[in-house]
Amino acid sequence: EIVMTQSPATLSVSPGEEATLSCRASQSMSGNLAWYQQKPGQAPRLLIYGASTRATGVPARFSGSGSGTEFTLSISSLQSEDSAVYYCQQYNDWLAFGGGTKVEIK
Amino acid sequence: QVQLVQSGSELKKPGASVKLSCKASGYTFTDHAINWVRQAPGQGLEWMGWITTDTGSPTYAQDFTGRFVFSLDTSVSTAYLHITSLEAADTAVYYCARAVTGYWFFDLWGRGTLVSVSS
Repeated sequence: EIVMTQSPATLSVSPGEEATLSCRASQSMSGNLAWYQQKPGQAPRLLIYGASTRATGVPARFSGSGSGTEFTLSISSLQSEDSAVYYCQQYNDWLAFGGGTKVEIK
Repeated sequence: QVQLVQSGSELKKPGASVKLSCKASGYTFTDHAINWVRQAPGQGLEWMGWITTDTGSPTYAQDFTGRFVFSLDTSVSTAYLHITSLEAADTAVYYCARAVTGYWFFDLWGRGTLVSVSS
């Protein structure tokens, strides 16, 4: 099973700035990686799949990249509604979520 | 509309059992596997496993074998999660989630069911 490690645990960013979230896999994998956003009291929402493909309705300020063991979710021009916990999930070898990164707005 | 509607919150005593439901609507139920995901209070997401909705075949993640059982009633487009011998550590929100056909990421989630286990 591939274990996913996310960093940082918490990220504080000013509105309009860019947030960069990291997700590291315990072994090299193909691009079978998804990103989800979870706001308090809500279910997770799919943002990105295939490491870089935005899901339907996801704003263009969200972008995913990476390969091998290093993957990144970038949120450009951060808005107040982007305050949430973000999880990566690998579906390359079974399934596993990362521990999450909490994005706070300064 | 396309949605997964989960059953309401449960309060149970240790040692009891609980059966949660997840009713699909707005799409062909048997086209997508249903996965279950657990989230303990203040914690992250744990994948519990899936059940294929065409054959009813369950697959359990390593930490969720024995006391956890997935089942279906395709006649009412509903998936179930049955948990036996409840422990305080089972206190969590349980989500059902639809897998994209041919892949194992989730494009549709239920709102979750809170299970509280306390004496």
